Amino acid sequence: SQTIHQWPATLVQPVGSPLSLECTVEGTSNPNLYWYRQAAGRGLQLLFYSVGIGQISSEVPQNLSASRPQDRQFILSSKKLLLSDSGFYLCAWSTTGGRNTIYFGEGSWLTVV
Amino acid sequence: DQQVKQNSPSLSVQEGRISILNCDYTNSMFDYFLWYKKYPAEGPTFLISISSIKDKNEDGRFTVFLNKSAKHLSLHIVPSQPGDSAVYFCAASGTWESTLTFGKGTMLLVSP
Repeated sequence: SQTIHQWPATLVQPVGSPLSLECTVEGTSNPNLYWYRQAAGRGLQLLFYSVGIGQISSEVPQNLSASRPQDRQFILSSKKLLLSDSGFYLCAWSTTGGRNTIYFGEGSWLTVV
Repeated sequence: DQQVKQNSPSLSVQEGRISILNCDYTNSMFDYFLWYKKYPAEGPTFLISISSIKDKNEDGRFTVFLNKSAKHLSLHIVPSQPGDSAVYFCAASGTWESTLTFGKGTMLLVSP
C-alpha cells in the first residue's frame, strides 16, 4: 500500500530564516506530488505541484519554492521566511492522469516569529 | 474567483440525525468531485467521490449526490456520530487535470 510521510511535524522559525520541508511517498512510482497550505481559518491553497522529476508548477507567486530531486521526494523551501508564511503545510500525492484522488500527508505546522 | 463554494462555514447536528453538507461549483468542465474530512492538525482524508456520469454514490453512512444542471453536490451522513465532527472539504477537477480545486470547508459539529 502507498504511504506518504512529511517532516518536520512542527517548527518555529524566526523571520528571515530559511525553510525546508520534506515529503516522501512509498509504494508507488511516478506519482503526481503537491504542496498545499492551510492558513488559519482558510481553505486549502495549492502552492506547487509536480508531474515528474524536475517538473514544478507554481500556482501562487510567493517567496516559497519547491523541488523534486527524486521520483518520490518533494521539498518545499524558502530562503527567507515572512510572518505571512505561517500556516499548516500539507504534502500530497496522486496517480497520474485526470480524475485524481489526492492523498495527503500528516501536515507540518510552521510558525514564523 | 472561487470555482468551488461551500457557503456554510459551519453546521451543527444532533447525534443520530442526518448531516447535509452542500457544495456549488461554477466551472462546467469539472466532471469529478470528491469530499474530504479533516481533523485539526491532521491532513485531510478522502471520504467519497463521484464522477459526472452518476448522480449518486454511497459508501456506508456517506452518500454524495450530484446535480449537474444546478452545478451542486451534497454529502449526506446518516446517522451522524460525534466522531464525524470535523471540517469537510468539497473538491473538483476536470477530466485531464492533475490538480483539485477545493472549497473553503464546512465545520460539522455533531453533539451527543
